[in-house]
Amino acid sequence: SQTIHQWPATLVQPVGSPLSLECTVEGTSNPNLYWYRQAAGRGLQLLFYSIGIDQISSEVPQNLSASRPQDRQFILSSKKLLLSDSGFYLCAWSPKGKGGTEAFFGQGTRLTVV
Amino acid sequence: DQQVKQNSPSLSVQEGRISILNCDYTNSMFDYFLWYKKYPAEGPTFLISISSIKDKNEDGRFTVFLNKSAKHLSLHIVPSQPGDSAVYFCAASYRDDKIIFGKGTRLHILP
Repeated sequence: SQTIHQWPATLVQPVGSPLSLECTVEGTSNPNLYWYRQAAGRGLQLLFYSIGIDQISSEVPQNLSASRPQDRQFILSSKKLLLSDSGFYLCAWSPKGKGGTEAFFGQGTRLTVV
Repeated sequence: DQQVKQNSPSLSVQEGRISILNCDYTNSMFDYFLWYKKYPAEGPTFLISISSIKDKNEDGRFTVFLNKSAKHLSLHIVPSQPGDSAVYFCAASYRDDKIIFGKGTRLHILP
């Protein structure tokens, strides 16, 4: 069966520090991968979407970047965190080629920038 | 520009009654719609979906209705139970492409 791992679960970082959140998927190959952020009053905002290695779409201009160095690994990064980067970050995957299917989410990372 | 809209931030329903959660969308190219349930500090979990070629899909206590002409879908939960209290997200996708979510509706089931 497929599983998705996301870590860390919580993170407190000072303003200006770097960020690296990692997500890995097991039990499937060539998945679509997503990074979402849930901020107060804004729902689940799609940040990045990837259909394959080194194929990443950025959905909103921001202080963050994403990379996909391996087929089932998706990394969310920042060189210098801002206070506004605080939020609940969620990684998700969906199978490819099914013409419409659900995404499966990790447990999320609560990031607090202080 | 929000392509998926949930205009009710919260909804309170008596236990045992029907909960109706609404969602509107603007992109007529969406061909697949989904509902997710989310508890605090957890990732969303998939509830039910519907293809744009259908107007209704039922799974146990959950039914999703799609009105393509109105670009509107709704999730019905009947009967509502205390464990249904959560945030519900409506989502839409186009041809296996990225999945766009609404802002969510917090459902409170009252005893």
